[in-house]
Amino acid sequence: EVQLQQSGPEVGRPGSSVKISCKASGYTFTDYVMNWVKQSPGQGLEWIGWIDPEYGSTDYSEKFKKKATLTADTSSSTAYIHLNSLTSEDTATYFCTRDFGSRYFDYWGQGVMVTVSS
Amino acid sequence: DIQMTQSLASLSASLEEVVTITCQASQDIGYWFAWYQQKPGKSPQLLIHSATSLADGIPSRFSGSRSGTQFSLKISRLQVEDTGIYYCLQRYSTPFTFGSGTKLEIK
Repeated sequence: EVQLQQSGPEVGRPGSSVKISCKASGYTFTDYVMNWVKQSPGQGLEWIGWIDPEYGSTDYSEKFKKKATLTADTSSSTAYIHLNSLTSEDTATYFCTRDFGSRYFDYWGQGVMVTVSS
Repeated sequence: DIQMTQSLASLSASLEEVVTITCQASQDIGYWFAWYQQKPGKSPQLLIHSATSLADGIPSRFSGSRSGTQFSLKISRLQVEDTGIYYCLQRYSTPFTFGSGTKLEIK
């Protein structure tokens, strides 16, 4: 069974950074690209970027190029997103989601709520 | 960037009714298109992929269609468990983009 298990909720001070994890199981981690999606409170879904765990290659939405860094650890089948210089605009739930055949996102993590507060 | 327009922000329908939710792409995206359902506090769930293919485990009352850049999700007989927010996704070119969502409620 494919599962994407994300880390727990985070609280960060303005100007600080957080790193969220997404541990994959039930499939070969390096066979599928991983996407990250942001959902602000009461809002829709925004694509942040993707990482190919096999090669470490990444692609980002222009909006998130200076905000997010995607990495992957193949030894633990875990993808990470690092969010820097936090502001209130970064308060949101962040999802990891597996990319199927460059056509759609099939499996999703449960989401991690990041709250930016002083 | 490709814009995905869901013109209906919300929709209320009766049980057993036929419901259609639409999404318009700002340019040709072929079949690189999917529908998701999201319930409160949950992650989105894949319903339809490749515009017309039913995802595994999804009831057959859900179906998807495409006419050019217009995509539709049809629920043939609305059930209580179908309430939620429905999002479309284009995975044709980056940045991948979602529609703004259509909230479906039961009358």
